[in-house]
Amino acid sequence: DTGVSQDPRHKITKRGQNVTFRCDPISEHNRLYWYRQTLGQGPEFLTYFQNEAQLEKSRLLSDRFSAERPKGSFSTLEIQRTEQGDSAMYLCASSRTDLYGYTFGSGTRLTVV
Amino acid sequence: QKEVEQDPGPLSVPEGAIVSLNCTYSNSAFQYFMWYRQYSRKGPELLMYTYSSGNKEDGRFTAQVDKSSKYISLFIRDSQPSDSATYLCAMTHGSGNTGKLIFGQGTTLQVKP
Repeated sequence: DTGVSQDPRHKITKRGQNVTFRCDPISEHNRLYWYRQTLGQGPEFLTYFQNEAQLEKSRLLSDRFSAERPKGSFSTLEIQRTEQGDSAMYLCASSRTDLYGYTFGSGTRLTVV
Repeated sequence: QKEVEQDPGPLSVPEGAIVSLNCTYSNSAFQYFMWYRQYSRKGPELLMYTYSSGNKEDGRFTAQVDKSSKYISLFIRDSQPSDSATYLCAMTHGSGNTGKLIFGQGTTLQVKP
């Protein structure tokens, strides 16, 4: 296991469609985070899990967004009824509780047309 | 006003120059400070982390934190074309390995051969 894996790398969808992204963290990392990054901006926090428990959600995470981490392993982020404003890079990261900083994946780039 | 401010640049320097990257922040509760490097179409990669005020050196990189001024810096000595990337500062309340990071906008650096 060499890093955080995200799938797909790119997704183009029509407005109003639902999309789901997957993140596979580093296996020994118990924390998993989702961030969103738009062009020219830094990543913005969306939510994070410790094991399977979702511990914090940003106000950015509207009711159209839902994240899960069943069994504390991989995580999915679903966006329902996508809007053009959802176009962004969705980054997943993981960490261990005894280490500082995250390891990020390469992200899923979403384009809503 | 954003919690973390960072000049987006771009910053262009000749190879071998010393580079200074900076962020200011408004929340005195921030305790852990990090610098990430992000290449195009990749996720951020942790470069340095620092707890509270002080300096930390790692090879050609030096991170400085001045909590009294709410100001952090990253210095890159003997800059190389491979250092061309976007540099993101990030910080967090409490422990550096819990919860969300607040990122700056990122500074785009170009090192010209």
